[in-house]
Amino acid sequence: KQEVTQIPAALSVPEGENLVLNCSFTDSAIYNLQWFRQDPGKGLTSLLLIQSSQREQTSGRLNASLDKSSGRSTLYIAASQPGDSATYLCPETSGSRLTFGEGTQLTVNP
Amino acid sequence: EAGVAQSPRYKIIEKRQSVAFWCNPISGHATLYWYQQILGQGPKLLIQFQNNGVVDDSQLPKDRFSAERLKGVDSTLKIQPAKLEDSAVYLCASSFLQETQYFGPGTRLLVL
Repeated sequence: KQEVTQIPAALSVPEGENLVLNCSFTDSAIYNLQWFRQDPGKGLTSLLLIQSSQREQTSGRLNASLDKSSGRSTLYIAASQPGDSATYLCPETSGSRLTFGEGTQLTVNP
Repeated sequence: EAGVAQSPRYKIIEKRQSVAFWCNPISGHATLYWYQQILGQGPKLLIQFQNNGVVDDSQLPKDRFSAERLKGVDSTLKIQPAKLEDSAVYLCASSFLQETQYFGPGTRLLVL
């Protein structure tokens, strides 16, 4: 059974701080990895997709890395802003099937 | 590019009633997914379509839930009869083959 653990479950930081969100998976044979954010009452927005041949991906202030051997992924957010407040999800991928954990709820305080 | 559309956005029904949700995926996306997201949890896949065929419905409670995608474009998800524990947000997503999934805004269902 696939399971995703996200640490921490919740995080509150002051604006401007750099932060790291962590994911771990039960299945280390990960094909690719997609990080999402979900704003309250809304659907999911894809942030980064790390393909099977890649180890990391960057978009603006976001950097995601994937260590297949350990079954772990990290999302690094630089210079956090209040607009980054959301729940961040990193589902485990098996083919096209995504298995989600409960996510990390991030609050960035002005 | 238009995103994934879902309707209605909100629905309140009483237990044992029926309800249906509609999804229109991004144009050209052959793969369509329905997820159930209970408050405080991550989304759980209910069913995946490739064009109008079912790829994965292993987590769909088939005694009360059904879904169809007759022409390989729009899809409907139905619950009949609804139970209290079906209260959740129902998310539709689509993708081009097995690439990035794009999610709609969801339908929030409350069963009383």
